[in-house]
Amino acid sequence: DTGVSQDPRHKITKRGQNVTFRCDPISEHNRLYWYRQTLGQGPEFLTYFQNEAQLEKSRLLSDRFSAERPKGSFSTLEIQRTEQGDSAMYLCASSSTGAGRMDTEAFFGQGTRLTVV
Amino acid sequence: RKEVEQDPGPFNVPEGATVAFNCTYSNSASQSFFWYRQDCRKEPKLLMSVYSSGNEDGRFTAQLNRASQYISLLIRDSKLSDSATYLCVVNKNTGGFKTIFGAGTRLFVKA
Repeated sequence: DTGVSQDPRHKITKRGQNVTFRCDPISEHNRLYWYRQTLGQGPEFLTYFQNEAQLEKSRLLSDRFSAERPKGSFSTLEIQRTEQGDSAMYLCASSSTGAGRMDTEAFFGQGTRLTVV
Repeated sequence: RKEVEQDPGPFNVPEGATVAFNCTYSNSASQSFFWYRQDCRKEPKLLMSVYSSGNEDGRFTAQLNRASQYISLLIRDSKLSDSATYLCVVNKNTGGFKTIFGAGTRLFVKA
């Protein structure tokens, strides 16, 4: 499978626990995005990487959230001290810088559904 | 104001109907535009890119008006399988490219 893969697909955790999600982008893609989606809403931008550099973080990303992409390949998103409001689908997407420095379209993984109880 | 705004929906249409979705974006530096489709509890998938000259893919037609910062999607001869949420997507240059999604418009096509 050469698409974007995310692990785990589902995660149930108790409030206050830490969780970590992994995303493996399409191998030749240099850009990687994290989004959060709640029911009835479109995906909300959290952060993105170009290669290993984290270029932008949303104000939605509180201090409890951290993302890394250490070798410019896979990425992890960690949420510390989870709260019930963190329950959502966490989507990872990747794209590549195309001709004229325009991005290609983003391809999404199937997401990690987090439930905080 | 949200960076990308869409018709709230839901749109309930009979099979065979023509339906149009609108989207506006606030950042004039936006560079490229897409429509994505998202089925219930699935990830978004690209439906079509949107070009300045307008483009068509079968029953789907997308148009862009940069002056008005407006994007549209027209679906002709609606099928039951078109029922989904349609997301308007804008890539903008903020020192790097960032992909911003609208909240989506839900479409229900009924027999």
